[in-house]
Amino acid sequence: GQSLEQPSEVTAVEGAIVQINCTYQTSGFYGLSWYQQHDGGAPTFLSYNALDGLEETGRFSSFLSRSDSYGYLLLQELQMKDSASYFCAVRTARGSGNTGKLIFGQGTTLQVKP
Amino acid sequence: DARVTQTPRHKVTEMGQEVTMRCQPILGHNTVFWYRQTMMQGLELLAYFRNRAPLDDSGMPKDRFSAEMPDATLATLKIQPSEPRDSAVYFCASGLVGAGASQPQHFGDGTRLSIL
Repeated sequence: GQSLEQPSEVTAVEGAIVQINCTYQTSGFYGLSWYQQHDGGAPTFLSYNALDGLEETGRFSSFLSRSDSYGYLLLQELQMKDSASYFCAVRTARGSGNTGKLIFGQGTTLQVKP
Repeated sequence: DARVTQTPRHKVTEMGQEVTMRCQPILGHNTVFWYRQTMMQGLELLAYFRNRAPLDDSGMPKDRFSAEMPDATLATLKIQPSEPRDSAVYFCASGLVGAGASQPQHFGDGTRLSIL
């Protein structure tokens, strides 16, 4: 089977740093993606890790440890507009190939307070 | 910017009626995905296509749901007959998948479906 675990809610204040963790169990793993969703709108892509280590994109960074089946999304200099749901998603593999298919976690609701 | 376009944006209908949702993927993307999002189940993959061929529809209730890609610019998801438990937001996404390609999926704005 396949499962992803992430916290259901996180609260932080403006200007702070927050880390959203994700652990996964999958039968075929190609990489870990992160998506942001505001108020039920279209999920939008934030970051992707295929290899171990840290990927940085502006205020957002994502980390992956394949040996630990673990990743996290780090949001720095939080702004009110960062209040949203954040999903980790495993990109699945068949053999060594990328299926392109994503399995999503249940999402973490981030509330940023003034 | 290129976008995935979904129609209709909202649909309210009575149980037993047929519902058809449409999706225009981004030009050049070879893979199209259908997802359903509910509070209880989160984002679930229903089906996906590569180069218009169905690859996996194991997430879809076969007795009432069907997904097709009549051409490269149109994907459809049909529910017949619809039931109240089908009420959800249905998202279409498209992406480019291939050797060495790790393109993200781009999502449409969704169809908000309510079955009374």
